Amino acid sequence: DSGVTQTPKHLITATGQRVTLRCSPRSGDLSVYWYQQSLDQGLQFLIQYYNGEERAKGNILERFSAQQFPDLHSELNLSSLELGDSALYFCASSVAGGTIGSTDTQYFGPGTRLTVL
Amino acid sequence: AQKITQTQPGMFVQEKEAVTLDCTYDTSDPSYGLFWYKQPSSGEMIFLIYQGSYDQQNATEGRYSLNFQKARKSANLVISASQLGDSAMYFCAITNFGNEKLTFGTGTRLTIIP
Repeated sequence: DSGVTQTPKHLITATGQRVTLRCSPRSGDLSVYWYQQSLDQGLQFLIQYYNGEERAKGNILERFSAQQFPDLHSELNLSSLELGDSALYFCASSVAGGTIGSTDTQYFGPGTRLTVL
Repeated sequence: AQKITQTQPGMFVQEKEAVTLDCTYDTSDPSYGLFWYKQPSSGEMIFLIYQGSYDQQNATEGRYSLNFQKARKSANLVISASQLGDSAMYFCAITNFGNEKLTFGTGTRLTIIP
């Protein structure tokens, strides 16, 4: 158990709908990362938050948005869902978020498997 | 831009044998970190081992060791005395210091045969 929690574990929805994925980082971790794992794209970085602020953005679609709350949990909102959005969405957390001269290990949650029908 | 290449899509290894999973990387940044993660069929991503670009010694964590050859830009994972529970997908990943996003390879599916 990594200490990172994600809910829900599974989500089945229809095209055009909107869903929210939730992540709670490990105790003491300030950074939260979101990744998408799909068969055709592999594992891709979406976005990073550090202590409530957006820190880095990757291949995140405009239909997707995220935020990190004062208690450090994070939510990933996916809207106008398409079939191609079906994937395993991971949240990861680390202690800091880019300390010069070192890097922090990211610990992953169990993932949310999203199926868009 | 960073890139990870894992050239072995699948491997079959006899139980108790050692196994080496290949990983080569490309980055223009002199400061970077290399990670290996394990993804069992249940889906979770489990951190195994980390090697920093400035680390003098190869990293080891229990049965896992990282064969880091900086000049060749390779960071192969060695699993000693393989067990049935080692059957999983293994991903190599890289991040640059100060830019924490992980860039993953395509993974290697390891199957341990009893």
